[in-house]
Amino acid sequence: ETGVTQTPRHLVMGMTNKKSLKCEQHLGHNAMYWYKQSAKKPLELMFVYNFKEQTENNSVPSRFSPECPNSSHLFLHLHTLQPEDSALYLCASSQGGGFTEAFFGQGTRLTVV
Amino acid sequence: AQKVTQAQTEISVVEKEDVTLDCVYETRDTTYYLFWYKQPPSGELVFLIRRNSFDEQNEISGRYSWNFQKSTSSFNFTITASQVVDSAVYFCALSEAYSGAGSYQLTFGKGTKLSVIP
Repeated sequence: ETGVTQTPRHLVMGMTNKKSLKCEQHLGHNAMYWYKQSAKKPLELMFVYNFKEQTENNSVPSRFSPECPNSSHLFLHLHTLQPEDSALYLCASSQGGGFTEAFFGQGTRLTVV
Repeated sequence: AQKVTQAQTEISVVEKEDVTLDCVYETRDTTYYLFWYKQPPSGELVFLIRRNSFDEQNEISGRYSWNFQKSTSSFNFTITASQVVDSAVYFCALSEAYSGAGSYQLTFGKGTKLSVIP
């Protein structure tokens, strides 16, 4: 079992749908992150949670709504997305903030139609 | 603001050749960390190395080696005797501490796609 698990691996949704991405980490880390990776941009940090508290929202549109019920689970709720939101969404975790390395899941490949 | 530049978008080498992936960074902080990650086709980013700004010693791990030079703000990655399994996208990243407690930003370069041809 990998340290950071994301489900689903692939998701196709219409612009009026509501869906959620799930991330679970089994590493005992305190911090969790959502990143977006699209074809034409570098990896973009979206949200940071440290000890379940959101410490960073990197100017992400409100159609993306994160939820962190505990240090092991992180969700990204999606609603009324746009085709340009199609991307690979990567979850990561690390041992607290600071300079520790982040461990990534395999990502959810999202296609908005 | 911090910035990471990987000028090489794509590199192709023949198996067993050595290859160096370049990384240049910008930061105003004196304390920071540099990372390299590998992203195979499966999508997961695999951590390779972390280096802090006070440690300029080069590091070697098997066929991988890293050259950190603060004077030129570079953190280059060399793969010796490349193999097909090394084919992936490689990302360099920089981390600075935020002023807020427990939060930091990991800034990635755009990545270099390495193709190793058998």
